[in-house]
Amino acid sequence: DSGVTQTPKHLITATGQRVTLRCSPRSGDLSVYWYQQSLDQGLQFLIHYYNGEERAKGNILERFSAQQFPDLHSELNLSSLELGDSALYFCASSVAGESNSPLHFGNGTRLTVT
Amino acid sequence: TQLLEQSPQFLSIQEGENLTVYCNSSSVFSSLQWYRQEPGEGPVLLVTVVTGGEVKKLKRLTFQFGDARKDSSLHITAAQPGDTGLYLCAGPNTGGFKTIFGAGTRLFVKA
Repeated sequence: DSGVTQTPKHLITATGQRVTLRCSPRSGDLSVYWYQQSLDQGLQFLIHYYNGEERAKGNILERFSAQQFPDLHSELNLSSLELGDSALYFCASSVAGESNSPLHFGNGTRLTVT
Repeated sequence: TQLLEQSPQFLSIQEGENLTVYCNSSSVFSSLQWYRQEPGEGPVLLVTVVTGGEVKKLKRLTFQFGDARKDSSLHITAAQPGDTGLYLCAGPNTGGFKTIFGAGTRLFVKA
């Protein structure tokens, strides 16, 4: 058990809808990272928050947004969903703000857009 | 843009065989990490290598960081079915605030 909790585990929704994925980091970790994993593309970095502030952004679509709250949990919001957004979404946490710290991953949210 | 390329993409071997998987880049990394991911779960960190030329061993797994810190390899001795999974290498980008991943090597060890 990594100590990182992601909810929900599965999500099935229709095109055009909006969903929110939630992540609770490991106790004591200040950084939260979001990744998208598709079958043919590996783990794609979306965004990194450290202690409530955005640290780095990857190729995150404008339809996607995220935030980290004062209690350090994070939410990833996906809107105007398209079929191609179907993927596994992982959250990872680490102690420090720099990326040479080991990442601890949750078990992901599997999003299916129909 | 820093990229990590992993090879082979897929490997299917018999129990007891040895294997090596590779992680290569044209960029220098301050460190590289190896993760293993099993179906339905998130990646789990196996090791971090930091110094050029460094070799780390984890039971039957041997990790090496290239002298120039642009590549790494993972060697598994006497593979077992429990080694089956997706092996991912990862490293921090130059700015240091994002960890980028290779596409992974999917290993299947047959009993």
